[in-house]
Amino acid sequence: DAGITQSPRHKVTETGTPVTLRCHQTENHRYMYWYRQDPGHGLRLIHYSYGVKDTDKGEVSDGYSVSRSKTEDFLLTLESATSSQTSVYFCAISDLDRDNTEAFFGQGTRLTVV
Amino acid sequence: LAKTTQPISMDSYEGQEVNITCSHNNIATNDYITWYQQFPSQGPRFIIQGYKTKVTNEVASLFIPADRKSSTLSLPRVSLSDTAVYYCLVGDIGNRDDKIIFGKGTRLHILP
Repeated sequence: DAGITQSPRHKVTETGTPVTLRCHQTENHRYMYWYRQDPGHGLRLIHYSYGVKDTDKGEVSDGYSVSRSKTEDFLLTLESATSSQTSVYFCAISDLDRDNTEAFFGQGTRLTVV
Repeated sequence: LAKTTQPISMDSYEGQEVNITCSHNNIATNDYITWYQQFPSQGPRFIIQGYKTKVTNEVASLFIPADRKSSTLSLPRVSLSDTAVYYCLVGDIGNRDDKIIFGKGTRLHILP
């Protein structure tokens, strides 16, 4: 399995509090992604990064920010958590070149906002 | 990004071959077709990828007709453990701006 670790794996937080989820990789892959998964919606891209300090928005970026100060770490922050952000969050990594096109996913973080 | 359309769900029986078709009418010249599998409570896992004709690996085959407007994932002799959600993705591999976007996938249920 690709070396990708998400932390925490589970978190319960209160509405209005800030929350940071961490994705750590040991594969030195260039691209990193954050997705959320909710019943009936499949996986939706929140933000992604194509290099250190290079990030861009995905499909559902409102209410989320990201940072990538090192190749191996990609942080997802909910500045002020809301109940609608209760979800399972997945991190993924990829090199996205023609010889290495596979994306590898972490085990997910289950976030509950009460 | 080319939009994909897949059946929402499918049922099949152990030992049968299962074919899941994905439509991608707006596929671009540089786009590749990729399939992922996701088990409950796990992240998706890459199954297979192709550009045209047929690709086969130890897990599945991918059939792509000449017009590339659709593709079919074929799972030979499925077992109960193949029950999962299967996602078809289309995008330009190597293009930084072409994000990895998932649709809702096909929920495959294998019956004994």
